[in-house]
Amino acid sequence: GESVGLHLPTLSVQEGDNSIINCAYSNSASDYFIWYKQESGKGPQFIIDIRSNMDKRQGQRVTVLLNKTVKHLSLQIAATQPGDSAVYFCAETAGGSNYKLTFGKGTLLTVNP
Amino acid sequence: ETGVTQTPRHLVMGMTNKKSLKCEQHLGHNAMYWYKQSAKKPLELMFVYNFKEQTENNSVPSRFSPECPNSSHLFLHLHTLQPEDSALYLCASTRAGTALSPLHFGNGTRLTVT
Repeated sequence: GESVGLHLPTLSVQEGDNSIINCAYSNSASDYFIWYKQESGKGPQFIIDIRSNMDKRQGQRVTVLLNKTVKHLSLQIAATQPGDSAVYFCAETAGGSNYKLTFGKGTLLTVNP
Repeated sequence: ETGVTQTPRHLVMGMTNKKSLKCEQHLGHNAMYWYKQSAKKPLELMFVYNFKEQTENNSVPSRFSPECPNSSHLFLHLHTLQPEDSALYLCASTRAGTALSPLHFGNGTRLTVT
């Protein structure tokens, strides 16, 4: 079946470095992608989204890259801070329907001071 | 603070108890969702309501019963649960329509079934 997955379950970086979290998806019909951040004891928090008609989108300190050819999504965090430590999920949906979001298992990002 | 509020934050219940989880969104959204989050597993969609009508039941056992009285409130009624139902239950909402919009989540109810 279709799935969304992450290449690495954990990522450890030094404060101030840039972080890159990767995500692979298998549904070629996926047209909307979202990154979420989940801190301990909280629900997933929306970070940034991208539609399939784009290959890059930037937010505040974050950039999402979409490569539809290889079905790959990445989240780049610039100048990573201790407050960025969390689990990061990618999610995708196809067919213009938002409600059937498929989530990956998540990557735990740890920022070392 | 999130615009989606879930109560209670923690719940411990026996297998014969009946309890309810509550969710309220203050974002003016018209679609609401229940997700289950278990350790080391992706988020699992349980139910979807669009404009108060249930549009998705993702093969959820009948011991979970959702209720959506209006577009701002969502309940999950629990009855005769099993220990494997212990998980974080997340409510989410979005603006349903032609434009794609991300889900906004509450902080969840941590459920423990003893």
